[in-house]
Amino acid sequence: ETGVTQSPTHLIKTRGQQVTLRCSSQSGHNTVSWYQQALGQGPQFIFQYYREEENGRGNFPPRFSGLQFPNYSSELNVNALELDDSALYLCASSLQGWGQETQYFGPGTRLLVL
Amino acid sequence: AQKVTQAQTEISVVEKEDVTLDCVYETRDTTYYLFWYKQPPSGELVFLIRRNSFDEQNEISGRYSWNFQKSTSSFNFTITASQVVDSAVYFCALIRGGYSSASKIIFGSGTRLSIRP
Repeated sequence: ETGVTQSPTHLIKTRGQQVTLRCSSQSGHNTVSWYQQALGQGPQFIFQYYREEENGRGNFPPRFSGLQFPNYSSELNVNALELDDSALYLCASSLQGWGQETQYFGPGTRLLVL
Repeated sequence: AQKVTQAQTEISVVEKEDVTLDCVYETRDTTYYLFWYKQPPSGELVFLIRRNSFDEQNEISGRYSWNFQKSTSSFNFTITASQVVDSAVYFCALIRGGYSSASKIIFGSGTRLSIRP
C-alpha cells in the first residue's frame, strides 16, 4: 500500500451538480497531483499542488478546481457536472513537485454522472 | 510534445509463458523519466519502476525485466513465467525531468494483460 487514501470510493451525481473529492497524501509528501481516467484510457493530468499552491494544470476547464491544505491533503472540486465527467479520479502524492520524484497513487474515486 | 504509445491493446497468454509489453515514447527533452505502472481491477495504480534518460542499463526484479533503448525510444517490459496474478492493465508513462513546474505524467493508453490458467 502507498499510504495515499481517497474518499469517497464511489459517487453518483446528476448532471449540473457539484462534487468534492478528497485525497490524503503519503506521510512526508508535500505534492499532490490529480488525474482523470476515463474508461479504457490512460489517466490524464488535471493539476498539481505543491505546498498549497497550484503548480501546473492540464487541459481541463476552470470548473475543475482544487485546494491543498497545510497538512498537504487535497480536494478536487468539479462544478456543473457533465456526463463526460464520469471517470475514475486518481490522486498521487510525491516528495516534491519535480519530475524525478515518483508519484504514488491512491485507490481512486469512481464518479458516475447521470 | 511528449507522447507514449502502447500499441498492444490486449494480450492474452497461458500461465508460465513469457510476455513482453511494448512501449514507445516521444520527447524532445534530454532529461526525462520513464515509468511502468500496474493497474489491477481494484483501480489503484501500482508503481513498478522508474528509469531516467541517462541510465540505459536494463533492470531485472524477480520475474520482471525492463529493456530501455534510447536509440529506438523504447522501454519494454517483460514478465517471465507469467502468473494469473499478473493479470492487470499495464501503463507505460513519461515525465519531464528537471525543476520545471508541473511534473505531470504522460501515460500511454495501457495494455490489458490476461493470464489464463
